[in-house]
Amino acid sequence: EPEVTQTPSHQVTQMGQEVILRCVPISNHLYFYWYRQILGQKVEFLVSFYNNEISEKSEIFDDQFSVERPDGSNFTLKIRSTKLEDSAMYFCASRGNSNYEQYFGPGTRLTVT
Amino acid sequence: QKEVEQNSGPLSVPEGAIASLNCTYSDRGSQSFFWYRQYSGKSPELIMFIYSNGDKEDGRFTAQLNKASQYVSLLIRDSQPSDSATYLCAVPAFQKLVFGTGTRLLVSP
Repeated sequence: EPEVTQTPSHQVTQMGQEVILRCVPISNHLYFYWYRQILGQKVEFLVSFYNNEISEKSEIFDDQFSVERPDGSNFTLKIRSTKLEDSAMYFCASRGNSNYEQYFGPGTRLTVT
Repeated sequence: QKEVEQNSGPLSVPEGAIASLNCTYSDRGSQSFFWYRQYSGKSPELIMFIYSNGDKEDGRFTAQLNKASQYVSLLIRDSQPSDSATYLCAVPAFQKLVFGTGTRLLVSP
């Protein structure tokens, strides 16, 4: 069964460093998403991406964040200068064209020290 | 701004019982609803979705939608200890899903 994959599973970085989180969405899906979940809190939307551009972003997704689909399979989230409060689980999700069902990857645990 | 409310729990049920999880939503125009299961430290896993009023059954799971009262429920029959997890309710809002805080379910053997 096709699934969303994410790498790395855990990333530790120092405050102020840049990180890139990687995702491979399900191959025939057209919509891609990043969500995050701070420990003990709800899943929060960051950004959606369709047709090679951002279609919606939240207030959290400020200038420190960017997304890219560098080739036909990968979808990346870059945080330019990490802050302590960026520590969270980051989930990539994708969906097909005909419904709203989003499928999540296993997540990347980002720890900023 | 669409909002989804869930009781955080924990909801404790004995093995073999029916677990009933509820979710209320703010936007009367919402048309579809999703239930995700999230084990501790893992990602949300889609287990049920419902697009129309009434009930939808899939194995031991039944989703119930009541648009007039703006709530959606998830019933888990014959609950198993492996069902112990947090259950997230979500509604679409334009491109994204808006999640509730989730209800933690504990099924005791």
